[in-house]
Amino acid sequence: DTEVTQTPKHLVMGMTNKKSLKCEQHMGHRAMYWYKQKAKKPPELMFVYSYEKLSINESVPSRFSPECPNSSLLNLHLHALQPEDSALYLCASSQDNSGGNTIYFGEGSWLTVV
Amino acid sequence: QKEVEQDPGPLSVPEGAIVSLNCTYSNSAFQYFMWYRQYSRKGPELLMYTYSSGNKEDGRFTAQVDKSSKYISLFIRDSQPSDSATYLCAMIYTGTASKLTFGTGTRLQVTL
Repeated sequence: DTEVTQTPKHLVMGMTNKKSLKCEQHMGHRAMYWYKQKAKKPPELMFVYSYEKLSINESVPSRFSPECPNSSLLNLHLHALQPEDSALYLCASSQDNSGGNTIYFGEGSWLTVV
Repeated sequence: QKEVEQDPGPLSVPEGAIVSLNCTYSNSAFQYFMWYRQYSRKGPELLMYTYSSGNKEDGRFTAQVDKSSKYISLFIRDSQPSDSATYLCAMIYTGTASKLTFGTGTRLQVTL
């Protein structure tokens, strides 16, 4: 079983709503990631946190706002999303961000924007 | 040209067959290689991780890396219906952040 836990598993939200996706890991990892995956496509990197600081933002629109409250938790705040943002949002973690570490994914949060 | 090429399939094999899944890549800076299995509507599950040319075996799975040819493979022996999933190859450049570059994924169906 994956040790990266994501909640909620499913989320339906309107375009004017504000919601959050949550991720937790207890492996002592110091790098955490958000990926977005559309149907029949591979995951696409959105954000990387290293030691609780944002280190990579892959030019993600500001309607997606990440937050890393501590080394075990990662949130993705959602506001004013568009229907095309509907996707599987995956959280992942690794030992650190130095490259070459194995990256473990959670089960994902299925987001539908109506 | 994509950095990582992977045949999307679908690939259909009978139970018990040996499955060969492959990826090619164009940039020799890739040094770390992973295979993930993804069941429908689930997150990717890490199967194999390698960082050098050669073979690595884990149960029914063997990962093979040929850096001279820029070619990686995943072999599944005695395939089972439970192996039916999408298999994603992924790789990381040397010295960069842990930023995965994925292949498109190969959908595998193992039939009874």
